[in-house]
Amino acid sequence: QQQVKQSPQSLIVQKGGISIINCAYENTAFDYFPWYQQFPGKGPALLIAIRPDVSEKKEGRFTISFNKSAKQFSLHIMDSQPGDSATYFCAASKGGGADGLTFGKGTHLIIQP
Amino acid sequence: GAGVSQSPSNKVTEKGKDVELRCDPISGHTALYWYRQSLGQGLEFLIYFQGNSAPDKSGLPSDRFSAERTGGSVSTLTIQRTQQEDSAVYLCASRGGRTNTGELFFGEGSRLTVL
Repeated sequence: QQQVKQSPQSLIVQKGGISIINCAYENTAFDYFPWYQQFPGKGPALLIAIRPDVSEKKEGRFTISFNKSAKQFSLHIMDSQPGDSATYFCAASKGGGADGLTFGKGTHLIIQP
Repeated sequence: GAGVSQSPSNKVTEKGKDVELRCDPISGHTALYWYRQSLGQGLEFLIYFQGNSAPDKSGLPSDRFSAERTGGSVSTLTIQRTQQEDSAVYLCASRGGRTNTGELFFGEGSRLTVL
């Protein structure tokens, strides 16, 4: 049973456009929802994270939108740039992040110049 | 360095051989994780160490896989009698310390190819 479902598997966006990646979770005990960014040959790195007491968190061009009732959260990348081309993973955890992360299968994002 | 260090970065082995992959976490981090990343399969949890507690081995795919963490620091993931389906990137991550935000810090991984 996949606890975190991520879509789409791949995404192509024109430079300057908005990239949107969606995730849905099943376990209502999850209370920490990070997004990780991975460049080829590198390990994933934390991009932005949200806890369920807020519905949106913005850091620069990156925004997480969180819908607790629907058990969904999404990553929006505004003004997408070629340097944003990477694989993005959503994840979820219990215990405010103290427990291990359950990852989605990833989205391969390509920003075309 | 200040990050998570993994070695070797690349390992090519023959089917049936044993391999050992090493992870040196960030100093002071109490939690250490191993994940496996196969093409198109995302990040698969393997094992989790937290301080001196018994490890969570629930993600290990078979009894050919084992891991240990010595002195609460360096960890070694061992795969015995390797099979071709073991080919993947094995990622180590650590977490914890005085400012535990829940963030996992990943190494660059060990790419294993089983011929």
